[in-house]
Amino acid sequence: TQLLEQSPQFLSIQEGENLTVYCNSSSVFSSLQWYRQEPGEGPVLLVTVVTGGEVKKLKRLTFQFGDARKDSSLHITAAQPGDTGLYLCAGHSGGSNYKLTFGKGTLLTVNP
Amino acid sequence: DTGVSQDPRHKITKRGQNVTFRCDPISEHNRLYWYRQTLGQGPEFLTYFQNEAQLEKSRLLSDRFSAERPKGSFSTLEIQRTEQGDSAMYLCASSLQGWELFFGEGSRLTVL
Repeated sequence: TQLLEQSPQFLSIQEGENLTVYCNSSSVFSSLQWYRQEPGEGPVLLVTVVTGGEVKKLKRLTFQFGDARKDSSLHITAAQPGDTGLYLCAGHSGGSNYKLTFGKGTLLTVNP
Repeated sequence: DTGVSQDPRHKITKRGQNVTFRCDPISEHNRLYWYRQTLGQGPEFLTYFQNEAQLEKSRLLSDRFSAERPKGSFSTLEIQRTEQGDSAMYLCASSLQGWELFFGEGSRLTVL
């Protein structure tokens, strides 16, 4: 069973601070995604990374895929209250396996 | 709204009753997924359809659970003889290609 471990589990910061959350596995993934989920809603896709070492930027969010494609990080610059939510990473192992495996998420709270 | 829609959004039932959830995916999407999410956890894979064919089913899906996608469009997830442990958010997602899933808002089930 492929597992994705996310850290930290909870993070509470002040508006304007920077933060990084992590997603780690002992397994190799052919692609990895980050989603954000707000209470009572479904997850919303933020980014997909597929190449080892890949870095993608989405405004104040920077996503990195590890060289070995086993880990990823999400860095947020100058966090805002609107960034509050559950950040989930999800990986696909490739081949004929159709399952996308999710981590437990990092619950981020940005206080004004 | 042309996103994934789920119905009902909330369902409260007594233990032992049957419940059915419906998912309408984005119209051109041929892939449809069901996930289950409990408090403090990431989504857990239940089953996957490509068009009308159910191609993968998790061991989490006991004999009391059944999913269908009869015409390759909408899907239903039925839980028979519900148990308190079935209380969760049931998420439906669809995709066209690749592994970028578009989630609905979920159906929250509470079993009393």
